[in-house]
Amino acid sequence: ETGVTQTPRHLVMGMTNKKSLKCEQHLGHNAMYWYKQSAKKPLELMFVYSLEERVENNSVPSRFSPECPNSSHLFLHLHTLQPEDSALYLCASSQGFSGFQPQHFGDGTRLSIL
Amino acid sequence: AQTVTQSQPEMSVQEAETVTLSCTYDTSESDYYLFWYKQPPSRQMILVIRQEAYKQQNATENRFSVNFQKAAKSFSLKISDSQLGDAAMYFCAYRTQNYGGSQGNLIFGKGTKLSVKP
Repeated sequence: ETGVTQTPRHLVMGMTNKKSLKCEQHLGHNAMYWYKQSAKKPLELMFVYSLEERVENNSVPSRFSPECPNSSHLFLHLHTLQPEDSALYLCASSQGFSGFQPQHFGDGTRLSIL
Repeated sequence: AQTVTQSQPEMSVQEAETVTLSCTYDTSESDYYLFWYKQPPSRQMILVIRQEAYKQQNATENRFSVNFQKAAKSFSLKISDSQLGDAAMYFCAYRTQNYGGSQGNLIFGKGTKLSVKP
C-alpha cells in the first residue's frame, strides 16, 4: 500500500465541468506537492505546500486551484479546463524541505479533457 | 536555472545483463542533490537511488549504482543483473540545497523508457 493515495485514478471531464482531485498521505509528512506529467515533457511542479501554507506557485493558470486543509490532505480543484490540461497529475509528500529527503509519490490521476 | 537532460528516450537490455542510463545536468551551484526515480506502468514514482553532491563516493543500492562525475555534471545510473521488473520509465532529478522560493523543487529530466527482454 502506497503512503500517498490519490483519487480518482481516472477522470474524464468536459471543459465546463468542475471537479476535484484528492491526495492523502499517511506518512506524517509536512510538505505536499502537485505535479503535472504530460507526454514527452518533464514533470512540472505546480504547487508546494508546507505546513498547510502554499510556498510556491509556478505560474499555474487560475483554472487550477489548490487547497490544503491539513498536513495530510491536498486537493486540486479544477474548472473550465482546456484540452492541453489532459495529463497525469501526481501528488507527492516529503518531510520538510531538507534537500536529501525524498519525495514520496502517489499513483496519479489520469485526467482527460473532452 | 537548473536543467536536467536525459539523452536516451528509450533503452533495451537483456535479462541478467547490465545497462547504464545517462543523465547530465546544468547548474551553477556547488551543493545539491541528485535522484533517480522509477515509474512502472502502475504510475507511482519510486525512489531508486540518491546522491549528495558533496560526497565523492558513488551511491549504491543493491543492483543499482550511480557514476557521479561532478566536474562533468553527469549522473548515470547502472542497473546490474537486470530483471523483468526493472522495466519502467526512469527519471533523473535535481534538487537544490538552497532554501528559498524554490525549496523542495525537484527538477526532472524527460525520462528514459527501459525495456527488459527475457
